[in-house]
Amino acid sequence: AQSVSQHNHHVILSEAASLELGCNYSYGGTVNLFWYVQYPGQHLQLLLKYFSGDPLVKGIKGFEAEFIKSKFSFNLRKPSVQWSDTAEYFCAVPNDYKLSFGAGTTVTVRA
Amino acid sequence: DAGVIQSPRHEVTEMGQEVTLRCKPISGHNSLFWYRQTMMRGLELLIYFNNNVPIDDSGMPEDRFSAKMPNASFSTLKIQPSEPRDSAVYFCASSLSVANYGYTFGSGTRLTVV
Repeated sequence: AQSVSQHNHHVILSEAASLELGCNYSYGGTVNLFWYVQYPGQHLQLLLKYFSGDPLVKGIKGFEAEFIKSKFSFNLRKPSVQWSDTAEYFCAVPNDYKLSFGAGTTVTVRA
Repeated sequence: DAGVIQSPRHEVTEMGQEVTLRCKPISGHNSLFWYRQTMMRGLELLIYFNNNVPIDDSGMPEDRFSAKMPNASFSTLKIQPSEPRDSAVYFCASSLSVANYGYTFGSGTRLTVV
């Protein structure tokens, strides 16, 4: 079964710093990948998704992710974070009928 | 579209009481999921419906939990009797095609059992 792992559990940054969150999926072949964000007290919302084609995917709020097949990775990036990016970030992959989520990475941005 | 609609947003109940959580999926979505989220266990899939039929309920914790989907526009998750350890945020999510679109989540119901 396809799964994803997120190695960073908690990341603390200052405003304007660059952010990169790691996500690795379990095996190759055709794979679709998703990043979700959950702001404090809110529900999960889709940030971006990758299906095929250009491995650099741009999402909402200035986020992007790069699919690197040779590394089984789909890392999320943002060049300059804001305090409002404080949230939990989940990587996800389709697994049969459902999404398998990573454990999540909590990002705290200090003003 | 109004998105996935859940009610109530917050529920506080006493141990032993029955609790019913409600969900209206996005029109046209044929897959519906109930999740529970806690700090200790993270996101847990409770049950999955496809075309109103329960397909996988292996995540339902015990017999105190039950879920129904009487039609394409409505689902309920019931806990009877409720216990303090059921306190969590319960999310409903729907999808037209999980592989292509992922999920759309509702705003969740924060349940507190005292």
